[in-house]
Amino acid sequence: KQEVTQIPAALSVPEGENLVLNCSFTDSAIYNLQWFRQDPGKGLTSLLLIQSSQREQTSGRLNASLDKSSGRSTLYIAASQPGDSATYLCAVSNDYKLSFGAGTTVTVRA
Amino acid sequence: GAVVSQHPSRVICKSGTSVKIECRSLDFQATTMFWYRQFPKKSLMLMATSNEGSKATYEQGVEKDKFLINHASLTLSTLTVTSAHPEDSSFYICSASSAAHGLAKNIQYFGAGTRLSVL
Repeated sequence: KQEVTQIPAALSVPEGENLVLNCSFTDSAIYNLQWFRQDPGKGLTSLLLIQSSQREQTSGRLNASLDKSSGRSTLYIAASQPGDSATYLCAVSNDYKLSFGAGTTVTVRA
Repeated sequence: GAVVSQHPSRVICKSGTSVKIECRSLDFQATTMFWYRQFPKKSLMLMATSNEGSKATYEQGVEKDKFLINHASLTLSTLTVTSAHPEDSSFYICSASSAAHGLAKNIQYFGAGTRLSVL
């Protein structure tokens, strides 16, 4: 069974600082890995999708890397802003099912 | 493209009543739909997977008689929480995927979720 772990569980940084969020998974036979953002009481917003054959994906200030062999992914958010405050979820796809981590709750202080 | 609509966004009901949540794919045909449950400050837990026209496959520990799933068409799946009790209060999220050309089979598109509160 796939186990997904996200560290840290919570993070508070001053505005402008870069964010580094970590995700690890136990079964490296994945189709893809996704990073989502979830605002309180809301659904999921897909941020980045990395296919198993890729090493990284970038979108604006966001960059996600994938090291499938070691079962790790890192989400970097450059120059954080208060609007980046949310919970970030990592999910890996095996056999068309998604397994989610518990998330990292980020607070960016103005 | 690939928009999933979930309705209602919030529902409050009395204990013992049944509640139906709808999940629709608006601009694509969803061959597979998924239902998740999320407890406060916890991750999403897959409840069941449904394919159009066939019975849903439930994850271990999920009561299929409690959580009825119907996937009657390629654009609609429903989750009915039967005889709801306070412990069923949670955030329920659906997602949909498609084997159709242009949409990768292993990507899920998510609805906005439904907050269920059972009094």
